Amino acid sequence: DAGVTQSPTHLIKTRGQHVTLRCSPISGHKSVSWYQQVLGQGPQFIFQYYEKEERGRGNFPDRFSARQFPNYSSELNVNALLLGDSALYLCASSLDQGGVTEAFFGQGTRLTVV
Amino acid sequence: AQTVTQSQPEMSVQEAETVTLSCTYDTSESDYYLFWYKQPPSRQMILVIRQEAYKQQNATENRFSVNFQKAAKSFSLKISDSQLGDAAMYFCAYRSYSGGSNYKLTFGKGTLLTVNP
Repeated sequence: DAGVTQSPTHLIKTRGQHVTLRCSPISGHKSVSWYQQVLGQGPQFIFQYYEKEERGRGNFPDRFSARQFPNYSSELNVNALLLGDSALYLCASSLDQGGVTEAFFGQGTRLTVV
Repeated sequence: AQTVTQSQPEMSVQEAETVTLSCTYDTSESDYYLFWYKQPPSRQMILVIRQEAYKQQNATENRFSVNFQKAAKSFSLKISDSQLGDAAMYFCAYRSYSGGSNYKLTFGKGTLLTVNP
């Protein structure tokens, strides 16, 4: 079975531009979460979606938005990119919203803002 | 808000030896989950072991075991018979038992483990 897939794997953008990152969860998983991992730090929670509804939002500006589609795939959008948005963006999927259910991570999208 | 602290930025161990990675956390909740994740250079986070706070018994997965001290809010990871493939960044993470945005994982800053042959 395919794991969590993210695209693209690497991306270079210019300050002020917009970016869309994509995530396909494991088949049957209804929850998708997004995390930002700045170099040398642990991942920081951005969003969680479950059954196409936002169920949680981390401490990120409104420039960050996301959505989940009927097939449970998800997009993370970032507007007006800043140099500080350069990071590894991780997507995690799970069967349900949380509890002890394991979150499976993708390999991430490495975003570089220049 | 919950916080997770990993006080060892880097650790090293000889192959076949045992190493312990430390993690402390701060929370006012009584029920929660704790996890150790491994992130190799491939970047993919892989779950190593999990612990439910309401369970007094320490979790064990093959060569990996934890020492969970709820009163001290401590959750250390012991790797026995270390192998070269264990070399990676290790993250300790916390998740609330309740719902809503508390389903998020809160991670520490990580410990880089080097395994020497």
